[in-house]
Amino acid sequence: EPEVTQTPSHQVTQMGQEVILHCVPISNHLYFYWYRQILGQKVEFLVSFYNNEISEKSEIFDDQFSVERPDGSNFTLKIRSTKLEDSAMYFCASSEGPYNEQFFGPGTRLTVL
Amino acid sequence: KNEVEQSPQNLTAQEGEFITINCSYSVGISALHWLQQHPGGGIVSLFMLSSGKKKHGRLIATINIQEKHSSLHITASHPRDSAVYICARSNRDDKIIFGKGTRLHILP
Repeated sequence: EPEVTQTPSHQVTQMGQEVILHCVPISNHLYFYWYRQILGQKVEFLVSFYNNEISEKSEIFDDQFSVERPDGSNFTLKIRSTKLEDSAMYFCASSEGPYNEQFFGPGTRLTVL
Repeated sequence: KNEVEQSPQNLTAQEGEFITINCSYSVGISALHWLQQHPGGGIVSLFMLSSGKKKHGRLIATINIQEKHSSLHITASHPRDSAVYICARSNRDDKIIFGKGTRLHILP
């Protein structure tokens, strides 16, 4: 059964460093998403991406964040200058269409020291 | 105010019990989602519904659009059902707004 994959499973970085989180969505899906979950809190929407551009973003998704689909399979989230409060689990998801079921990856746990 | 409210926050029950988790939302929706988050953190989509009722195995999800309310039921609960169950809503945009989740613990 096709699934969304994410790498790495755990990333540790120093404050101020740049990180790139990687996702491989399900191959025939056209809509891609990033969510984050700070430990002990609810899941929060960050950004949705379709047709090589951002379709929706939340207020969390400020200028330090960017997303890219560098090739036909990968979907990346870049955090330019990490802050302590960026420590969270980051989930990638994909769907066939905007109103279809979303399939989630296993998440990347980001720890900023 | 959170746009998606779940109750209860925590629920402990004995194996075999019928479980109900409730979800209320404050604005109109295009779809209501029920998701399961396991202790390891992974999220699995259980249901996506916009009206009526859906059933998958021992899980049943219902929604009342007029009352802006949905319920997730688990019949013949089992310890492996122990997880956080999350209600979320989506509107005409494609982002999902999540509730805080209900932590379910089924005792053997």
